[in-house]
Amino acid sequence: NAGVTQTPKFQVLKTGQSMTLQCAQDMNHEYMSWYRQDPGMGLRLIHYSVGAGITDQGEVPNGYNVSRSTTEDFPLRLLSAAPSQTSVYFCASSYSRVGEVSRIPGEQYFGPGTRLTVT
Amino acid sequence: QKEVEQDPGPLSVPEGAIVSLNCTYSNSAFQYFMWYRQYSRKGPELLMYTYSSGNKEDGRFTAQVDKSSKYISLFIRDSQPSDSATYLCAPAHSNFGNEKLTFGTGTRLTIIP
Repeated sequence: NAGVTQTPKFQVLKTGQSMTLQCAQDMNHEYMSWYRQDPGMGLRLIHYSVGAGITDQGEVPNGYNVSRSTTEDFPLRLLSAAPSQTSVYFCASSYSRVGEVSRIPGEQYFGPGTRLTVT
Repeated sequence: QKEVEQDPGPLSVPEGAIVSLNCTYSNSAFQYFMWYRQYSRKGPELLMYTYSSGNKEDGRFTAQVDKSSKYISLFIRDSQPSDSATYLCAPAHSNFGNEKLTFGTGTRLTIIP
């Protein structure tokens, strides 16, 4: 299994540009999420999905859009990039389903990250 | 007040030392307490978890929770250079699969050979 993959690894955008960060997992996980990681702020949840066709907002959703048309893919769209969105973005997935007890509580599998710079 | 507070460090210790990493939290409803390890320029990975108060040991690592003081600790014995990483605590309310995790800011640890 490739696990959780993210593309691109690095990206530089100009203010106002839009782009999509790709995330895919081959573990048949229902739960997928996007985080951003900034110095001194830790990991903050942007959006998450508990299954195909279902998404919801996390702690810092403004300026980002998501959709989940398949179990495998969970792309994150930046609608109009701003310097404040300069960050490292991580996608994560989890085996467990809504209402089910996790085999290992809190276990999420993270991708390698995308380093985004907005100038 | 943040839900989870963690000393960001950085923390540098010599090889072989005992390391203590700590978090505090404010929500008394947290029942599960995870520690994630993140190597430089990599994604975090789950290191270990504990349930409620008490200790849990896994090799050189011991996780400890004191719910009365809302204090979470991770101890590393006989620290190795390969333990150099950022450690993030992440408490959770339940062990259900749709639980959203709240991460601490992480403590960057360097073990000096």
